[in-house]
Amino acid sequence: EVQLVQSGAEVKKPGESLKISCKGSGYIFTSYWIAWVRQMPGKGLEWMGIIYPGDSDTRYSPSFQGQVTISADKSISTAYLHWSSLKASDTAMYYCARAKCSSTICYGGDYWGQGTLVTVSS
Amino acid sequence: QSALTQPPSASGSPGQSVTISCTGTSSDVGGYNYVSWYQQHPGKAPKLMIYEVSKRPSGVPDRFSGSKSGNTASLTVSGLQAEDEADYYCSSYAGSNNFNVVFGGGTKLTVL
Repeated sequence: EVQLVQSGAEVKKPGESLKISCKGSGYIFTSYWIAWVRQMPGKGLEWMGIIYPGDSDTRYSPSFQGQVTISADKSISTAYLHWSSLKASDTAMYYCARAKCSSTICYGGDYWGQGTLVTVSS
Repeated sequence: QSALTQPPSASGSPGQSVTISCTGTSSDVGGYNYVSWYQQHPGKAPKLMIYEVSKRPSGVPDRFSGSKSGNTASLTVSGLQAEDEADYYCSSYAGSNNFNVVFGGGTKLTVL
């Protein structure tokens, strides 16, 4: 069974750093892209970026380029989303998803993690 | 990129059919057959319901169907059931070598 298990909820102060995780199991982790998706409170879904754990090839949505860092450790089948300096506007639920791909194009997620709630408040 | 445009709400009675639209541009919905639809119940993660415009993942009831015409994609839910009440989001590949994807703003489906 394919599973993506994310790390637990976080409460941080503005300016602090944070790395949340997403551990895959039940499939070959290095063979599928992993995407990160943001959902701000009461709002819709936003595609942040995507990583291929096999070689750490990473692509960012223009809106999130330079705002976050996506990485992966294939030895432990885990992808990460990292902030170096959090802002209150980073408060949101963050989902990882195994990307749905067709040949050389990835366009969505077929299996999703349970989400990690990040709250940034002074 | 702007988000895809969805109606904020839709509704229908049990057993009826409801169609939710998703309008983009020739740079996303109209340009690629990579439209997906997701169902999200309150407090839960999104669930893939339709991919590549009209394909259903294993386990998704055939009451859910997808289509596309020009820059507008549609999700139709036939034989509405109480458990179909949820938020529905469309998404589309938006081109470029950064695998960019755009989402719609979501539609709240109410089963009356």
